Amino acid sequence: AQSVAQPEDQVNVAEGNPLTVKCTYSVSGNPYLFWYVQYPNRGLQFLLKYITGDNLVKGSYGFEAEFNKSQTSFHLKKPSALVSDSALYFCAVRDNNAGNMLTFGGGTRLMVKP
Amino acid sequence: NAGVTQTPKFRILKIGQSMTLQCTQDMNHNYMYWYRQDPGMGLKLIYYSVGAGITDKGEVPNGYNVSRSTTEDFPLRLELAAPSQTSVYFCASSYRTTFRQNNQPQHFGDGTRLSIL
Repeated sequence: AQSVAQPEDQVNVAEGNPLTVKCTYSVSGNPYLFWYVQYPNRGLQFLLKYITGDNLVKGSYGFEAEFNKSQTSFHLKKPSALVSDSALYFCAVRDNNAGNMLTFGGGTRLMVKP
Repeated sequence: NAGVTQTPKFRILKIGQSMTLQCTQDMNHNYMYWYRQDPGMGLKLIYYSVGAGITDKGEVPNGYNVSRSTTEDFPLRLELAAPSQTSVYFCASSYRTTFRQNNQPQHFGDGTRLSIL
């Protein structure tokens, strides 16, 4: 079975400071990892993914994520937070040997204060 | 380019009523999905389809039915609405060419907010 954990319900940062949103996963095979963002009353929007290759993945809006196989983590990062980054962030995993189901974490609300 | 379109945006149902949530995509994606989102619980997969005429159960299929008669449309039906089905429902689609390339991101609609009283 595959699973995802986002240990923080909410992350608060000041505008201009770096931000990290944590994600750990569990799969039996090799993982495909995704980050999505959700703004109020909208669907999820794709930010970035890790399939294979470089452990540091760059995505939309200046976000990046670091894949760490030994720690089974895929933390989302941004060097300098913007107030407009405030939203709900979801990490998701698919085991590349486990068919079509994508498992989502419970989400982390990011609040960036001016 | 409209992407994934869901209708209606909001609906209130009485217990025992039935309804169909509509989902259509114009990206020629072969894969389509239905999720429900409950507060603090992330998204749970209800049903998915790998192409027209093919559907399969996800993690929480009980109380729901789907059909996929065309590539574009993937309606979700609630036959006997129950309070436990109060949720926000999201439809998504993605494109996949071969088994080992199931790594494309899913594109989501804006959701249907359903309350059952």
